[in-house]
This record gives sequence, structure tokens and C-alpha cells, in this order.
Amino acid sequence: RKEVEQDPGPFNVPEGATVAFNCTYSNSASQSFFWYRQDCRKEPKLLMSVYSSGNEDGRFTAQLNRASQYISLLIRDSKLSDSATYLCVALKDGNAGNMLTFGGGTRLMVKP
Amino acid sequence: AAGVIQSPRHLIKEKRETATLKCYPIPRHDTVYWYQQGPGQDPQFLISFYEKMQSDKGSIPDRFSAQQFSDYHSELNMSSLELGDSALYFCASSGRLAGGYNEQFFGPGTRLTVL
Repeated sequence: RKEVEQDPGPFNVPEGATVAFNCTYSNSASQSFFWYRQDCRKEPKLLMSVYSSGNEDGRFTAQLNRASQYISLLIRDSKLSDSATYLCVALKDGNAGNMLTFGGGTRLMVKP
Repeated sequence: AAGVIQSPRHLIKEKRETATLKCYPIPRHDTVYWYQQGPGQDPQFLISFYEKMQSDKGSIPDRFSAQQFSDYHSELNMSSLELGDSALYFCASSGRLAGGYNEQFFGPGTRLTVL
């Protein structure tokens, strides 16, 4: 079982729709969480960090529930340019540094 | 803003050859991470360095080695290449800036093809 699990999708939504992605993690030692966005054959790009208090950045809202070991990402007013794979990522403290553990990614396709 | 630089961007090698991938972190970042992403897979952590010392080791094969130099750039050396080593290799960096060490920023990757 993967340490971080996501629904692979794809999620096909029309422009302007609201879409939500969920993610669960199994390692309670994970310290921090992030959502990254990855376009085809490109590098993962940090979208936002995820906090228990929830955080919002424009059309994007992320939430962490440590008790349920559950992370969410909400995208409002979807744009065509939001089409990408969204990676749920946990950061685990290593012996002397930090390593990222990626979920398998959720693919989003926003259609006109 | 300056980003992580990786070279080469594309590399084609034959089985049993060696390859060296280079990574130049964001200026003033002192921590470098290497990840391998196979076709249709998510990135897997290989190894990381902080202040020129290895800090963590993930699923890096014994055929691979890496180091970080005094200017903080890092090199991933891969020997006895196998077909299964064909993948995208990403370098990420982090440092004592806004976001701190928790936020890792990825370079564009090196696409290695082993024939």
C-alpha cells in the first residue's frame, strides 16, 4: 500500500466548475503536506502547502485533517489552464533532512 | 526568479554505459534532492544532501552515487546503466528562505533513455 494515496481520475470538468481532490496518508510521522501540479513531461511545481487551519490561494483551497489523515484540494472556477496532474505530497523527516513522498497523482482535464 | 538548473536536459546512453547528471540549486539553497520518475509513475526519492553531506538515502541503486560540491551543485553518477534506468531525473532544492527547508523546488529534469 502506498504511503500517500489519491484517486488517479481523470476528472473531466467543464470550465467554471468546482472540483475537489482528496488524498489519504498512512504514515502518521509525516510532518508537512503539499499539493504540487505536474504538466505532462514537466517538473512538479509547488502549488501550495497544506495546514490544519486550511489555507486559500485565489481559487485554490487546501485542508488537512490530521485525525483522519486526510488532505483535500478544492479548485473553484476551473480554467482550461488548470488541466494537469495534481500530486498530493507528504514530507517525512529523514535522519538529517526531509524527503517527499508522492501520491500517484490525480489527473484533471478542464474542457471548454 | 532563478530556478533549479539541470543538465543535460536529454541524454541517450546504451546499456552498461555511465552517465552523469548535474544540478545547480536555486541561489542560497543549501539542500539538494534527487528524484527518479519512471513512465507513468510518481517521483521516487533517491538521495539528498545538506551542506555537502549526504542527509538521506532512499531507493537509490548501489550502481548510482551522488555528491554535493562546495558551490552546492550536485552530480548524480550512474554506472552500468540498465534499460530500467530510463526515466526522468529531477533535482530539487530547498533552503533557509521563505517557506524554509520544507518547500522543495524542482528543476526541469533530465530525461535519460537507455537503449
